[in-house]
Amino acid sequence: GAGVSQSPSNKVTEKGKDVELRCDPISGHTALYWYRQSLGQGLEFLIYFQGNSAPDKSGLPSDRFSAERTGGSVSTLTIQRTQQEDSAVYLCASSLYFRGGAVDTQYFGPGTRLTVL
Amino acid sequence: QQPVQSPQAVILREGEDAVINCSSSKALYSVHWYRQKHGEAPVFLMILLKGGEQKGHEKISASFNEKKQQSSLYLTASQLSYSGTYFCGTRVGSSNTGKLIFGQGTTLQVKP
Repeated sequence: GAGVSQSPSNKVTEKGKDVELRCDPISGHTALYWYRQSLGQGLEFLIYFQGNSAPDKSGLPSDRFSAERTGGSVSTLTIQRTQQEDSAVYLCASSLYFRGGAVDTQYFGPGTRLTVL
Repeated sequence: QQPVQSPQAVILREGEDAVINCSSSKALYSVHWYRQKHGEAPVFLMILLKGGEQKGHEKISASFNEKKQQSSLYLTASQLSYSGTYFCGTRVGSSNTGKLIFGQGTTLQVKP
């Protein structure tokens, strides 16, 4: 079946511009995550959506970053007034949500490589 | 809160074994292991839960020591395809869902 897809795969922008990154999760997955991976670094959590619950925004680095998830499926990560330090690969992951103790497995998309000039 | 992985990098010959450790300063609920090849998305390997048993996947297995708040990934008889960066992702406390906090990664290179 189809995995997590992200678009665009690459994005080059100028400092100060706004960008939107899109994530299509696996069909039926109710949980969606955004992570950021800087060159040679680990995965940094940004934001988590689960169903209709309020998203966990605890990882967003500044108020220039925001994300929304429409209809419980597609998600868009928006970065306003981009800075050079925003350059990174932005990864989206999705998972099923289990009640009662089972632990989800997060499946990652291929990522969007953002370069801010 | 970020778990610490060791070693940072390891180079092996085909057929050799390796161990990658993931240590946390917080009580862990679960540990998730991923492998990422250059330019690709992280691929899930396995989950270990507190109170759970050691898991295995072919020649890759892992353990979870709750008391030490540590997980170890064991790669036996390594193959060229094992090359990549290995990440552990952790959940703390009693949560079985939500964000994972990842370690900085361990780069594994397997040579012929």
